[in-house]
Amino acid sequence: DGGITQSPKYLFRKEGQNVTLSCEQNLNHDAMYWYRQDPGQGLRLIYYSQIVNDFQKGDIAEGYSVSREKKESFPLTVTSAQKNPTAFYLCASSYRGNNSPLHFGNGTRLTVT
Amino acid sequence: DAKTTQPTSMDCAEGRAANLPCNHSTISGNEYVYWYRQIHSQGPQYIIHGLKNNETNEMASLIITEDRKSSTLILPHATLRDTAVYYCIVRAAGANSKLTFGKGITLSVRP
Repeated sequence: DGGITQSPKYLFRKEGQNVTLSCEQNLNHDAMYWYRQDPGQGLRLIYYSQIVNDFQKGDIAEGYSVSREKKESFPLTVTSAQKNPTAFYLCASSYRGNNSPLHFGNGTRLTVT
Repeated sequence: DAKTTQPTSMDCAEGRAANLPCNHSTISGNEYVYWYRQIHSQGPQYIIHGLKNNETNEMASLIITEDRKSSTLILPHATLRDTAVYYCIVRAAGANSKLTFGKGITLSVRP
């Protein structure tokens, strides 16, 4: 079945460590996105990529980095510079065409202590 | 992107229609109305979207007023599994347009 896979579902790290969250899609989508969700809040856009080897900052990119070396993959690195990294991270993808809906993975819950 | 306003919560009885309202009074001519829902601890699920005509699919119907300043998502026969947070989002046309989520409306379906 086609879909978006985020792994792992739960991730625990010590403060000061960088951590990379995985996102893979086999939907042949051009565009991929990373969102962050805090308890009781909506989603906030971190980074997005419309094509391979290109990406743009979203609304809250500070303390995060991404790469887009392959169409299927869009990993997100949460660096030690991110002041409040504990959150629920959601990856999405879509076709690049006009108003194509985003399809989301089931998220990775990151806890940093 | 235009902002949307939704009630914080609502409930409905199982088997009845659930009508979820959304105001988007500052919507522009090229902005679409999208609906997503999120069940606890899962990723948001796309439901439906439209520009000015009413839309229907296997999940729901979207009714957009003639002036496009408000819309209603209708779940025709709500089930317990429809309990979720529903997000109404206005999104500009174009390949680089972003999807901006607010807090949504929590729908509780009671037995």
